[in-house]
Amino acid sequence: GENVEQHPSTLSVQEGDSAVIKCTYSDSASNYFPWYKQELGKGPQLIIDIRSNVGEKKDQRIAVTLNKTAKHFSLHITETQPEDSAVYFCAASKRRGSTLGRLYFGRGTQLTVWP
Amino acid sequence: GAVVSQHPSRVICKSGTSVKIECRSLDFQATTMFWYRQFPKQSLMLMATSNEGSKATYEQGVEKDKFLINHASLTLSTLTVTSAHPEDSSFYICSATRDSNTEAFFGQGTRLTVV
Repeated sequence: GENVEQHPSTLSVQEGDSAVIKCTYSDSASNYFPWYKQELGKGPQLIIDIRSNVGEKKDQRIAVTLNKTAKHFSLHITETQPEDSAVYFCAASKRRGSTLGRLYFGRGTQLTVWP
Repeated sequence: GAVVSQHPSRVICKSGTSVKIECRSLDFQATTMFWYRQFPKQSLMLMATSNEGSKATYEQGVEKDKFLINHASLTLSTLTVTSAHPEDSSFYICSATRDSNTEAFFGQGTRLTVV
């Protein structure tokens, strides 16, 4: 099965700085890579995702890059704000047409943004 | 976006009793629902996948007689923890997908404490 590794496990940045979280995956057949933000005591929320036919995707302060050859993908948050503080999970999945397969999650990164 | 509602958000029960957790897709028909368990500061561990009208598929190591999953309709799946013990205390999260969308929508989670 798929194995997703995520680093770092904790990340502290000053407000306004950038934060980068990296993930690797093992199954070259994985083709869908979402990122989730989980606040304390809540379920994960999708913040951005990328498919294997795209190398980069941006949504305001958040961007994700994918290197299929190296089998790694990264989350970039610019101009961080205290409300960005949360646990971030990467995941990998095989999508067949419009059907989402099982998600394999990384272990999570606790991001803390200091004011 | 689509909404998945999980109920209750918190439950405390006595050892030996059973607890039912509901997961509802409020504005879409969920052909597949997933149940996860999450320990403190850990990633999400998939317990089982359920499709409406059929038996759930459990992950290796998950006791199907202890964690009963019912997906009786396209908008409701339930997880029943039978004869709960303190080691079953955890955060349980459901997610749902629909055929026309590749995104997984997560519930807000249920904090189960067995005393």
